[in-house]
Amino acid sequence: AQSVAQPEDQVNVAEGNPLTVKCTYSVSGNPYLFWYVQYPNRGLQFLLKYITGDNLVKGSYGFEAEFNKSQTSFHLKKPSALVSDSALYFCAVRPPTGRRALTFGSGTRLQVQP
Amino acid sequence: NAGVTQTPKFRVLKTGQSMTLLCAQDMNHEYMYWYRQDPGMGLRLIHYSVGEGTTAKGEVPDGYNVSRLKKQNFLLGLESAAPSQTSVYFCASSYSGTSDYNEQFFGPGTRLTVL
Repeated sequence: AQSVAQPEDQVNVAEGNPLTVKCTYSVSGNPYLFWYVQYPNRGLQFLLKYITGDNLVKGSYGFEAEFNKSQTSFHLKKPSALVSDSALYFCAVRPPTGRRALTFGSGTRLQVQP
Repeated sequence: NAGVTQTPKFRVLKTGQSMTLLCAQDMNHEYMYWYRQDPGMGLRLIHYSVGEGTTAKGEVPDGYNVSRLKKQNFLLGLESAAPSQTSVYFCASSYSGTSDYNEQFFGPGTRLTVL
């Protein structure tokens, strides 16, 4: 069975500084990896995904993520954080075969201070 | 397009009561999902559907039933609510098409409290 670990419950960063939200995964075969963001009292919104190809994936709102197969990681990054980036971020994985539903990590709360 | 909508937004039940949560999507998606979100646990899959008239169990199906009589609707039922079912419930849908890895679109959630 697949699993996702987000080792940090919360990440604090100053506005303008780079941010990283960590994610590691376990899955059989080549994974499909996703990042979602959740703002307060809202549903999840898709940010980006890795399917195959270039290890650096670019997504919405200036976010990007780097796929590292040897470290089984898919860390979310942004060069310059904004206060409006403050939200709950979820990493998710699904295997290349089988059901299409996602397995989510426990989430990381990003707090960007002005 | 409204995207994915959920009804109701909030609900309080007493132990043993029943209720149905409605999810509707207007994107003509084949796949639909029900998740629950609990603090510190991320989202866990309850049931899902790969098309009209078909449903399947997810990670945590006990105590829930689902139906997909119409392509655009996916209903989640609680026959006898328990306090352990207090949670936020999210519905999602995704397109199948020719690719196997389309992202899911989520509804705004239903906050359910069982007393």
